Amino acid sequence: GQQVMQIPQYQHVQEGEDFTTYCNSSTTLSNIQWYKQRPGGHPVFLIQLVKSGEVKKQKRLTFQFGEAKKNSSLHITATQTTDVGTYFCAGPIAGNMLTFGGGTRLMVKP
Amino acid sequence: SQTIHQWPATLVQPVGSPLSLECTVEGTSNPNLYWYRQAAGRGLQLLFYSVGIGQISSEVPQNLSASRPQDRQFILSSKKLLLSDSGFYLCAWSKLFNRADTQYFGPGTRLTVL
Repeated sequence: GQQVMQIPQYQHVQEGEDFTTYCNSSTTLSNIQWYKQRPGGHPVFLIQLVKSGEVKKQKRLTFQFGEAKKNSSLHITATQTTDVGTYFCAGPIAGNMLTFGGGTRLMVKP
Repeated sequence: SQTIHQWPATLVQPVGSPLSLECTVEGTSNPNLYWYRQAAGRGLQLLFYSVGIGQISSEVPQNLSASRPQDRQFILSSKKLLLSDSGFYLCAWSKLFNRADTQYFGPGTRLTVL
């Protein structure tokens, strides 16, 4: 069925290293959203991308929406321990219902 | 501003006991409401969503049910809990008439069934 897939499932990095998570959809998306869930917490909305090829930045975080609007990425430059958590992408699939990817769990070694 | 509340924050229940988790939203009218379950270290599984009072859609067959007795109240229930019902239960809301809109999550209820 239609779904949103994320890779990798887990990523360990040394503090200061970069990190990237990728999101792929089986269908063209009208928008892609990214959420962050800190350990023990709840998902919090980070950003929404709407346009083909769109790039948005939030400090050390760079979000991209693919030209075909079927994939997206989140890149963190020079990770810090505060970046630890699970990052979810989400897009409207099947009946315009927001569907979440499986998430990428980021662990940062100090 | 809008806020979403969930209670209790944590719950330990024996197998076979009933369950009632409550979610309320403040500062908005006619929201879409959602219940998710998250197993430890896993993704978000959509259980139910509601577009209005008394309107419930179930995404997966299970031991749970949901109700929406008031516009901004969403309740998750079970008559008899199973071990497999353990998990982190999250309620979320989004604006009416746009289920693709941003979702705002409550703090969650961590349920352990023993």
